[in-house]
Amino acid sequence: KQEVTQIPAALSVPEGENLVLNCSFTDSAIYNLQWFRQDPGKGLTSLLLIQSSQREQTSGRLNASLDKSSGRSTLYIAASQPGDSATYLCAVRGAGGTSYGKLTFGQGTILTVHP
Amino acid sequence: KAGVTQTPRYLIKTRGQQVTLSCSPISGHRSVSWYQQTPGQGLQFLFEYFSETQRNKGNFPGRFSGRQFSNSRSEMNVSTLELGDSALYLCASSLKGDTQYFGPGTRLTVL
Repeated sequence: KQEVTQIPAALSVPEGENLVLNCSFTDSAIYNLQWFRQDPGKGLTSLLLIQSSQREQTSGRLNASLDKSSGRSTLYIAASQPGDSATYLCAVRGAGGTSYGKLTFGQGTILTVHP
Repeated sequence: KAGVTQTPRYLIKTRGQQVTLSCSPISGHRSVSWYQQTPGQGLQFLFEYFSETQRNKGNFPGRFSGRQFSNSRSEMNVSTLELGDSALYLCASSLKGDTQYFGPGTRLTVL
């Protein structure tokens, strides 16, 4: 059974700092990994999707990497802003066994960027 | 393009009742997935439909069911509601199961 863990559970940083969010998964048989952000009481917004054959994806100030063999992904946020404050979730789509085709989420990292 | 829409946005029901939630995917998307989000369990996968067929199912009791129509709109039904069913129910659509685009969710409260 796929399990996804995100570290840290919460992070508070001053504006302008570069930061890294971590995601690890137990089963390396995945189709892809996706990073989302969720604002309080709202749905999820897709940030980046990395296919299992890719090593990283970039969008603006965001960069996500994937090391499938070690079961790890990182989301790097450059020059953080107060508007980046949200919960960040990673999710993997399974490619084998009981996790086939299913999206499994981590518990998220609550990010607070203060001015 | 319009995003994923879910109706209703808020719902209050009592134990034992049943409820139907609706999801309209992004135009052209044929895959619709449903998720339950609670503070204790986080986001959990319920099921996925593709071209009117259930392609995948999570570990939820049979009280949770769904269907997809020919226009890709999907409904989720929960029968015999329990207090523990109180949650934010999220729907997501995608072209073929790749990037998931989420709706705003339906907040269900069971009293």
